[in-house]
Amino acid sequence: DAGVTQSPTHLIKTRGQHVTLRCSPISGHKSVSWYQQVLGQGPQFIFQYYEKEERGRGNFPDRFSARQFPNYSSELNVNALLLGDSALYLCASSLGSGGHNEQFFGPGTRLTVL
Amino acid sequence: AQKVTQAQTEISVVEKEDVTLDCVYETRDTTYYLFWYKQPPSGELVFLIRRNSFDEQNEISGRYSWNFQKSTSSFNFTITASQVVDSAVYFCALSEYNTDKLIFGTGTRLQVFP
Repeated sequence: DAGVTQSPTHLIKTRGQHVTLRCSPISGHKSVSWYQQVLGQGPQFIFQYYEKEERGRGNFPDRFSARQFPNYSSELNVNALLLGDSALYLCASSLGSGGHNEQFFGPGTRLTVL
Repeated sequence: AQKVTQAQTEISVVEKEDVTLDCVYETRDTTYYLFWYKQPPSGELVFLIRRNSFDEQNEISGRYSWNFQKSTSSFNFTITASQVVDSAVYFCALSEYNTDKLIFGTGTRLQVFP
């Protein structure tokens, strides 16, 4: 079975631009979470979506938004990019919602903002 | 507030040595989950173990073992007879029962030299 997939793998943008990152969860998984990992740090939680509804939001500005589609895939959008948005963006999926569910991570999208 | 502390930034060992990675957590919840993830240079987070707060039994999986002690709020990870392939960044993480949000530590970079 395919794992969590993310696209694109790498992305280079300039300040002020907008970016959309995509995630496809493991088949049957209904929960998707997004994390930002700045170089040298642990991943930071951005959003969780379950059954197309937002279930959690981390401490990120409103420039960050996300949505989940009927097939449970998800998009993360970042507007007005700043240099500090350069990071590895990780998507994780799980069967249900709640800490008891194991989360499986995708390979990530590496975003560079120039 | 929840917090995970991995005080060891980087550890270097020679192959076949045993190594222990420390993790200390803080939470006010009585029900929570603890995790260890491995992040090789490719960037993808690989799930290693999940432990719930009611299960303090130590676990062994091959060369890996985990020691969970609620009394000291610690969840340490030991690799026995380390191998070069164990070289990676290891993250300890915490989540509450009713959320998928993972709170990660800053990670420990393990380098195993031949």
